[in-house]
Amino acid sequence: GAVVSQHPSRVICKSGTSVKIECRSLDFQATTMFWYRQFPKQSLMLMATSNEGSKATYEQGVEKDKFLINHASLTLSTLTVTSAHPEDSSFYICSAKLAGVRNEQFFGPGTRLTVL
Amino acid sequence: AQTVTQSQPEMSVQEAETVTLSCTYDTSESDYYLFWYKQPPSRQMILVIRQEAYKQQNATENRFSVNFQKAAKSFSLKISDSQLGDAAMYFCAWAGGSRLTFGEGTQLTVNP
Repeated sequence: GAVVSQHPSRVICKSGTSVKIECRSLDFQATTMFWYRQFPKQSLMLMATSNEGSKATYEQGVEKDKFLINHASLTLSTLTVTSAHPEDSSFYICSAKLAGVRNEQFFGPGTRLTVL
Repeated sequence: AQTVTQSQPEMSVQEAETVTLSCTYDTSESDYYLFWYKQPPSRQMILVIRQEAYKQQNATENRFSVNFQKAAKSFSLKISDSQLGDAAMYFCAWAGGSRLTFGEGTQLTVNP
């Protein structure tokens, strides 16, 4: 099956610093990747859609200058949380879509971000 | 806008018994896909089952089956012979284009 990895799995940082999270499709090329945020005991909230070679499309209410997304290749998308604050602490999940495969998204294992 | 509603925040089932999780959705589109995802304590999202809206036959995957009622916009998941490993949060999801719209989730507990 299609495998998606995320790195790091958990990160703790100080307030005001920036954190980069990587999402890789390991055995397929993903034209589209997605970034979600999930709070405890809640559903996944789509933050942005990332297309290779073009600017990401952000959902309403998501600050694009705070959550920088880069999709430089067909196997890698990165999410950078800039000037992180404690309220940015959350679980971030990426997914990748294999072109033409019944709209299925393959999910990474997630990254737990804690901002002190 | 598409919405997905899971009206059961929590459900419990005895091991080896059957449980049904409910999901309704609202859309004006005719071509779409529906999914059930499982999120165990590890928080890895795992696809349980998918259904193409144009297919009348209900999808089945081993102990998991769905009851897809397109006119009623209902997509319930039945888990037969429940196992301890089935304990997880279950999310119903709708997809018309690339993006997924998730329901709020149902936390399933399996009692030994």
